[in-house]
Amino acid sequence: DGGITQSPKYLFRKEGQNVTLSCEQNLNHDAMYWYRQDPGQGLRLIYYSQIVNDFQKGDIAEGYSVSREKKESFPLTVTSAQKNPTAFYLCASSMWSTGEASEQFFGPGTRLTVL
Amino acid sequence: EDQVTQSPEALRLQEGESSSLNCSYTVSGLRGLFWYRQDPGKGPEFLFTLYSAGEEKEKERLKATLTKKESFLHITAPKPEDSATYLCAVQAKAAGNKLTFGGGTRVLVKP
Repeated sequence: DGGITQSPKYLFRKEGQNVTLSCEQNLNHDAMYWYRQDPGQGLRLIYYSQIVNDFQKGDIAEGYSVSREKKESFPLTVTSAQKNPTAFYLCASSMWSTGEASEQFFGPGTRLTVL
Repeated sequence: EDQVTQSPEALRLQEGESSSLNCSYTVSGLRGLFWYRQDPGKGPEFLFTLYSAGEEKEKERLKATLTKKESFLHITAPKPEDSATYLCAVQAKAAGNKLTFGGGTRVLVKP
């Protein structure tokens, strides 16, 4: 089955620790995205990547880092510099389109809690 | 700056009671407007893409429509399994493939 997987489903972090969230897709999509969702709010874009070895900051990139070494994988590191990291993190992927609108498809999410 | 506002924030319906959700948007050139359904603790599930004013899309009890300023998601004769948060997002021509999301509408359908 084609799809997007995220791991772990739940993650607990102590203050001052860096943690890495995994995202893998087998949809052969060019672009991948990371969003953050806080209770009762919409999704906010953290980082996105159009192609391998290239990525761009989204609206709330401070305290986060990413890499894109493979087309299928786009891990997100939440660093100790992120002041309020407790949230639900969603990974998405899409074809990269310069013409018609391109739908994004989402993984199941990772819930990060800072202890 | 692209903006998306969804209303109401929450909606309680009796089973079979049809209603509509609103998504108002301002965008400098619309490439597409998207509707997603999100169940608690899960990732959003893609429902529809609307490309231009006047367009309509249907899926089971859901029907999405689009004007130049807003989109409506009509739920006809809802069932308890339609309970979810419905998210609206826009993709602007100037924003590449990035999406701007609204805050969502939480729908609860009681039997």
